[in-house]
Amino acid sequence: DIQMTQSPSSLSASVGDRVTITCRASQSISSYLNWYQQEPGKAPKLLIYAASTLQSGVPSRFSGSGSGTDFTLTIISLQPEDFATYYCQQSYSPLNTFGQGTKLAIK
Amino acid sequence: QVQLQESGPGLVKPSETLSLACTVSGASISSYYWSWIRQPPGKGLEWIGYGHYNGGTNYNPSLKSRVAISVDTSKNQLSLRLNSVTAADTAVYYCARDLRSYYGSGSYYNWFDLWGQGALVTVSS
Repeated sequence: DIQMTQSPSSLSASVGDRVTITCRASQSISSYLNWYQQEPGKAPKLLIYAASTLQSGVPSRFSGSGSGTDFTLTIISLQPEDFATYYCQQSYSPLNTFGQGTKLAIK
Repeated sequence: QVQLQESGPGLVKPSETLSLACTVSGASISSYYWSWIRQPPGKGLEWIGYGHYNGGTNYNPSLKSRVAISVDTSKNQLSLRLNSVTAADTAVYYCARDLRSYYGSGSYYNWFDLWGQGALVTVSS
């Protein structure tokens, strides 16, 4: 299995801040990396696929980058609705695996 | 507007079979691949497997001996069966549309662009 490790596991920030979440794969996954946002009690929502392609309807303050084993999700100018848990997911292997999640809390 | 809705018993006894359905509206189930993903309370996401109307399936090896996914085109429905359940199978179960992009000779990468609201299944006697 390809292991996905996110860092940090949690972070706190303020409205208007810029934050970066990192996802590292246990082997190269090319650019086959997706990001999801999950609010408490809700289903995950796709933000970015193929490392950097913004899903339709997702605000442009979200961006993704990376290839190989190291990837980042950046959110500029945090909004109140952005405080949630974020997951990365690799699809290089047909056995899709997720990171453990990063909880973004209000400072 | 495409919507997915999971349904099924919320409580299953240990050693019995968990059965869930995912009804798709607004799209033909034959047009896409569909996956089941689960999330134990307070924990992360685990991909269970996918199904396709042509009978194609693939499962997480950790569950492969216990799981079956099928597609019923007449009902526009995806189904999940997980047998011999234990407390470790307690989770919210999601169905999701599994979009793919192909490259090379049959390889693909995929992403889950639409999700159901999830169904909590508790395994307890």
